[in-house]
Amino acid sequence: LAKTTQPISMDSYEGQEVNITCSHNNIATNDYITWYQQFPSQGPRFIIQGYKTKVTNEVASLFIPADRKSSTLSLPRVSLSDTAVYYCLVGDSGNTGKLIFGQGTTLQVKP
Amino acid sequence: DTAVSQTPKYLVTQMGNDKSIKCEQNLGHDTMYWYKQDSKKFLKIMFSYNNKELIINETVPNRFSPKSPDKAHLNLHINSLELGDSAVYFCASSQAAASAAYEQYFGPGTRLTVT
Repeated sequence: LAKTTQPISMDSYEGQEVNITCSHNNIATNDYITWYQQFPSQGPRFIIQGYKTKVTNEVASLFIPADRKSSTLSLPRVSLSDTAVYYCLVGDSGNTGKLIFGQGTTLQVKP
Repeated sequence: DTAVSQTPKYLVTQMGNDKSIKCEQNLGHDTMYWYKQDSKKFLKIMFSYNNKELIINETVPNRFSPKSPDKAHLNLHINSLELGDSAVYFCASSQAAASAAYEQYFGPGTRLTVT
């Protein structure tokens, strides 16, 4: 089974860049790596996804090395409203169709 | 317009009772999911349906039974509730079969408290 590891928590200050890394072994070779954001009392929502190398959208960047055993979510110049829990999501190896969320990283942005 | 809705939002009940949580999506998606989020924020998939057919059935007690009357609805029925069932249950949907490639849209969650 795929196994994911994320830091449990991180602190940052407004205006800083934040990088959250998810380690993931035994992931599906043909599936994407996706990141979600969750605010308190809400369901997770999609932030970004990628297969390899670097992907950038209006809110974040995602870096995936060639071996795809990890991925790093980068949030540029965070604000207080970026305080949330961030999850990586991967597909399990063996193309079982199983999806595995990381444990979640609670990001606390301070003024 | 709410894309994925769940009812009820809060559910407080006693051990041994049977309860249901309903989920509806108006996105026209083929795949729907149930997740359980515990007090440590771990999100674990329980079930996934594609076009009313069960495609993922994780190791959950058989007291949990999903039902999909049509592809826009996926309900979760729980028999003989136990204290350990207390959690937040999320319904989600995606365009196609279970894959991290397809963006999932989550409902607001149902906070179940078993006393």
